[in-house]
Amino acid sequence: QKEVEQDPGPLSVPEGAIVSLNCTYSNSAFQYFMWYRQYSRKGPELLMYTYSSGNKEDGRFTAQVDKSSKYISLFIRDSQPSDSATYLCAMRRDSWGKLQFGAGTQVVVTP
Amino acid sequence: NAGVTQTPKFQVLKTGQSMTLQCAQDMNHEYMSWYRQDPGMGLRLIHYSVGAGITDQGEVPNGYNVSRSTTEDFPLRLLSAAPSQTSVYFCASSPGQAVLPGANVLTFGAGSRLTVL
Repeated sequence: QKEVEQDPGPLSVPEGAIVSLNCTYSNSAFQYFMWYRQYSRKGPELLMYTYSSGNKEDGRFTAQVDKSSKYISLFIRDSQPSDSATYLCAMRRDSWGKLQFGAGTQVVVTP
Repeated sequence: NAGVTQTPKFQVLKTGQSMTLQCAQDMNHEYMSWYRQDPGMGLRLIHYSVGAGITDQGEVPNGYNVSRSTTEDFPLRLLSAAPSQTSVYFCASSPGQAVLPGANVLTFGAGSRLTVL
């Protein structure tokens, strides 16, 4: 069983809709949670970063962490075609530990 | 700043050949790492380095070698290529351990696509 599970999609939504992405994990020691965005044939780039539980908002993006359920989410409001990409969750136990990545969810936003 | 630069972007090898994927960063990052990305598998750590002269194995190190003689460069060597090593390889770096919570964020290169026939 993988430490981090993520639905590969693809997830297709119309422009303007809310995109909801999530990951589940098995290691309760994870404390640092990240979401990376990866455009086709490019390297991943950091989108959101959260420490421990709670919510974090940045513009149209909201990241949520529920450590009791071992579940993290990313919401994209007012989605745009430029949001079409693969979104990878990642997490680690401590500030210097190795990152564990989910497999990534492909998102397609149609005009 | 160029960030993390990987070369080559594309490479085709025959089984048994050897080659080196180059990675250079100009951000004075202490930590550098190599990942491979395969469909449905996500990013898997191959090798990493926490500073010049220090390297360690990741999740899938077999068939790969690394060295870190300078802070800037972290080459990945394939000793005897196998079809199972067909993948997209990413180099990533981050600042050294620090109290700032953002200090451990990885910056990725654009990737090197390798096909082994």
